[in-house]
Amino acid sequence: ETGVTQTPRHLVMGMTNKKSLKCEQHLGHNAMYWYKQSAKKPLELMFVYSLEERVENNSVPSRFSPECPNSSHLFLHLHTLQPEDSALYLCASSRGGRVGDEQYFGPGTRLTVT
Amino acid sequence: AQKVTQAQTEISVVEKEDVTLDCVYETRDTTYYLFWYKQPPSGELVFLIRRNSFDEQNEISGRYSWNFQKSTSSFNFTITASQVVDSAVYFCALLSHQAGTALIFGKGTTLSVSS
Repeated sequence: ETGVTQTPRHLVMGMTNKKSLKCEQHLGHNAMYWYKQSAKKPLELMFVYSLEERVENNSVPSRFSPECPNSSHLFLHLHTLQPEDSALYLCASSRGGRVGDEQYFGPGTRLTVT
Repeated sequence: AQKVTQAQTEISVVEKEDVTLDCVYETRDTTYYLFWYKQPPSGELVFLIRRNSFDEQNEISGRYSWNFQKSTSSFNFTITASQVVDSAVYFCALLSHQAGTALIFGKGTTLSVSS
């Protein structure tokens, strides 16, 4: 596999469920990101990890919990979500997490909360 | 404040037409980077180009060209002789030291190319 992969591609979950999104990058990068893309809104950065340490958390509700066990993998654990959390969740990676590095994106997970 | 404005929500053209996608940005930083990404129906954001604030040279890559003008805070993207495969949502994004590592995206322009 090459680039950035995300699983699952589609997820439907109830508000009381617990699920996890997975992202894996095969580019040898050291920084990984979670973005949320909602209809009619610009992409929003959620979390940034650089060398497996969280460096940014943009006021994301605690029902979203990221985990970065190593520089190639990033998870987003979901619990007690709301219908307004339905969106496309995109994972990205960049070489060093420095300002200016281009970010490479995965195909996203389309999440629907019922 | 950091902001990216893509005033064109949707553009429809016929194959072989040239099309320009507009991008206007705001930042107080003197060092910043501008990006264009393409999002086809599959959902994946595809990186197209990065420019830094010190390099105003225009760039051409095949049918794609970019016009960066600091005087008007614009970074416009032109597709020459458009093709149906160019149909996608195109995002302009800004990255500056003030914003840390967060890409600030515009709302995107949906380009539809018909045959």
